[in-house]
Amino acid sequence: DIQMTQAPSTLSASVGDRVTITCRASQSIGTYLNWYQQKPGRAPKLLISGASRLQSGVPLSFSGSGSGTDFILTISSLQPEDFATYFCQQGDRTPYTFGQGTKVEIK
Amino acid sequence: EVQLVESGGGLVKPGGSLRLSCVASGFTFNSYWMSWVRQAPGKRLEWVASIRQDGSDKNYVDSVKGRFSISRDNAKSSLFLQMNSLRAEDTALYYCARGPSSGNSLGYWGQGALVTVSS
Repeated sequence: DIQMTQAPSTLSASVGDRVTITCRASQSIGTYLNWYQQKPGRAPKLLISGASRLQSGVPLSFSGSGSGTDFILTISSLQPEDFATYFCQQGDRTPYTFGQGTKVEIK
Repeated sequence: EVQLVESGGGLVKPGGSLRLSCVASGFTFNSYWMSWVRQAPGKRLEWVASIRQDGSDKNYVDSVKGRFSISRDNAKSSLFLQMNSLRAEDTALYYCARGPSSGNSLGYWGQGALVTVSS
């Protein structure tokens, strides 16, 4: 199975900060990398598919990049509603696997 | 608006069975693959199973093969997960999700159904 590792596990930041979250795959997955946001008690929400395709309705402050084994989710200017947990998921092959999550906390 | 509503969760003894259901609305159900994903307490999300639009192709994570069965009823816009021979390690919040689609992503998720396996 492909292992997905995110860093950091927790991130403390302030409103307006630029935030980056990394996701590494244990083997090359091309651009089959997806990013999700989850808030407590809520269903996960797809933010970015195919490593860099922003989903409809997702703020332009979110962006994704990378290919192969290394990927980055960037929030260019953190907003109050962005404090949440983010996780990556590889879609290259089954079993689809997820990162352990990165919790973005208020500093 | 896309909505996915799970039901059927509960407390079951080890070795028991449970059937989860998910009713979809707000999109053409028979045009999409559908999936189940679970999250055990304190653990990362785990993809469980996916089913093709017409039900002709199904994929499972190894840990549930032979015990769980995914199915769908397109006439009722419903997805199911039959879970047999349940184990303590199957305890989790089970999400119904639309997909895989673009990039094999899961575009929409339900709120989840809690399954607890305990004696």
